[in-house]
Amino acid sequence: EAQVTQNPRYLITVTGKKLTVTCSQNMNHEYMSWYRQDPGLGLRQIYYSMNVEVTDKGDVPEGYKVSRKEKRNFPLILESPSPNQTSLYFCASSPEGLSKDTQYFGPGTRLTVL
Amino acid sequence: KNQVEQSPQSLIILEGKNCTLQCNYTVSPFSNLRWYKQDTGRGPVSLTIMTFSENTKSNGRYTATLDADTKQSSLHITASQLSDSASYICVVRNRYNNDMRFGAGTRLTVKP
Repeated sequence: EAQVTQNPRYLITVTGKKLTVTCSQNMNHEYMSWYRQDPGLGLRQIYYSMNVEVTDKGDVPEGYKVSRKEKRNFPLILESPSPNQTSLYFCASSPEGLSKDTQYFGPGTRLTVL
Repeated sequence: KNQVEQSPQSLIILEGKNCTLQCNYTVSPFSNLRWYKQDTGRGPVSLTIMTFSENTKSNGRYTATLDADTKQSSLHITASQLSDSASYICVVRNRYNNDMRFGAGTRLTVKP
């Protein structure tokens, strides 16, 4: 089944404890992206990747890192999480980052930073 | 101010009724506009995509309209079902840099 998977789905952690949220897609998509979703604000892009070893900042990259060492995986890294990073995170992929392409979203990761 | 504004924020309707959700945007130059459906606890799923030249597009009981002159779009849901309960998100893409702007969404609840 074609899909985008994220792990973990739920995570509660404490300030400063490094964490990684994994994202994997099995559709051979070139474009991958991370978003956070907060009440009343809509989805905001954190980072995106046009292809392997190519990553760029989105609208809200501060406090996050990503890597794209292989096409299928695009992990999101929080080196020193803070409470303002408590949010719902979505990974998405599409064949290419072109105007007509549909993005396929993962199921989401709900992160709470205490 | 968000470049994509959706209204209403939330809406409750009875099963079988119709409803219309609104999306106003200021993104320019315009490339395309998508409506996504997001079920609780799930990622968004694309319903329709509309480009500059398209005024209306249907997907089953969902019909999206676009007025590129007034920068407005609507999503009309006909004969609502309980499974239509979800958030509906409007996303507008910028033709210049392919940047996407997301609306905050409309939370629709369909009651029996």
